[in-house]
Amino acid sequence: QKEVEQDPGPLSVPEGAIVSLNCTYSNSAFQYFMWYRQYSRKGPELLMYTYSSGNKEDGRFTAQVDKSSKYISLFIRDSQPSDSATYLCAMDATSGGSYIPTFGRGTSLIVHP
Amino acid sequence: DAMVIQNPRYQVTQFGKPVTLSCSQTLNHNVMYWYQQKSSQAPKLLFHYYDKDFNNEADTPDNFQSRRPNTSFCFLDIRSPGLGDAAMYLCATSRGPGQPSTEAFFGQGTRLTVV
Repeated sequence: QKEVEQDPGPLSVPEGAIVSLNCTYSNSAFQYFMWYRQYSRKGPELLMYTYSSGNKEDGRFTAQVDKSSKYISLFIRDSQPSDSATYLCAMDATSGGSYIPTFGRGTSLIVHP
Repeated sequence: DAMVIQNPRYQVTQFGKPVTLSCSQTLNHNVMYWYQQKSSQAPKLLFHYYDKDFNNEADTPDNFQSRRPNTSFCFLDIRSPGLGDAAMYLCATSRGPGQPSTEAFFGQGTRLTVV
């Protein structure tokens, strides 16, 4: 079993739709939960992060963490064609004093006009 | 302004011919990472440095080596590239130990093709 599971998609939605992206994980030591966005042929860029359980909102984006279920979600409201990208979840575990992010494989999102 | 710069963006190398990928950063971060990302797969950590302290992942092949001559630069050396090493190689940085990598910054990546 992989530490972080993420459905690769692709997920195709019309412009304006609410998008739900999800990851599950197995390592209960994870404390920081991050979402990265990766455009084609580019490096990932941090979208937002959450510490422990709870919700965090940033504009059209909301991140949710449910540690009891080992399940995290990213919601995108009023999705735009410019949101089309691969979304990677990542989680932090300690390793020799440095936090090391462990990534999911990413979900490809396509928002069509 | 680019903060983590990888060169080259695209690299074509011959099977078995050594190749070096480079990464530089202007953030003065203590931690630098090298990830390998194959198509539709999760970035896979190869190694990371905390300052000059090198940490190799257990399943990183011996074919992959790394050097960090100073805080700003880090290199990935592939001694004898095979066809299976074709991938995007991502360099990232973050603050020192005890600081979660929630502020990890990635470069644009180097796409390696092996012919």
